[in-house]
Amino acid sequence: DTGVSQNPRHKITKRGQNVTFRCDPISEHNRLYWYRQTLGQGPEFLTYFQNEAQLEKSRLLSDRFSAERPKGSFSTLEIQRTEQGDSAMYLCASRLTGTGGDGYTFGSGTRLTVV
Amino acid sequence: AQRVTQPEKLLSVFKGAPVELKCNYSYSGSPELFWYVQYSRQRLQLLLRHISRESIKGFTADLNKGETSFHLKKPFAQEEDSAMYYCALQGAQKLVFGQGTRLTINP
Repeated sequence: DTGVSQNPRHKITKRGQNVTFRCDPISEHNRLYWYRQTLGQGPEFLTYFQNEAQLEKSRLLSDRFSAERPKGSFSTLEIQRTEQGDSAMYLCASRLTGTGGDGYTFGSGTRLTVV
Repeated sequence: AQRVTQPEKLLSVFKGAPVELKCNYSYSGSPELFWYVQYSRQRLQLLLRHISRESIKGFTADLNKGETSFHLKKPFAQEEDSAMYYCALQGAQKLVFGQGTRLTINP
């Protein structure tokens, strides 16, 4: 296990197109998080899963965003009808329930550019 | 509400000078606070946590509940300390980050 893996690393898309990102967490981690990071800002929480259950969604997650973790392993984040404001780095992190704030492992992120 | 504030977006100091990166938080419960660091072209990683009261790479941070602060300090900056630093609070089920401070160490 080489940590949290995110694909693709970069995605350039035209406004209005749909995009999907994938995150593969550390295998024994039951919690998986999605964050968004725009230029000059810290990571902002989007949503998290415990196993396959999506337990919390931020107000930042509009109706155009959907996240899944179908078998409690990898997760996908889909953005429909992309807008220029969606351009950001999308970070995935995983951890094991019961570990604190030092238990998170972050991926390298997917950088989305909407043109 | 859970909030973390880092008032300085940019901080530039000379090598060998002391460094202090400020962090203030707002949280109704008992806070669990951390500093994360992101070096150029690397992923976000934990630097230190308030519970352990440890020194990592010469950095320390003390939780001051009265001032709701968790400032990061290092007595003598080194060039390899140049990075983005994020203060983070473990709230209900998730990490909440500040906006980050870009630290540049000048030779």
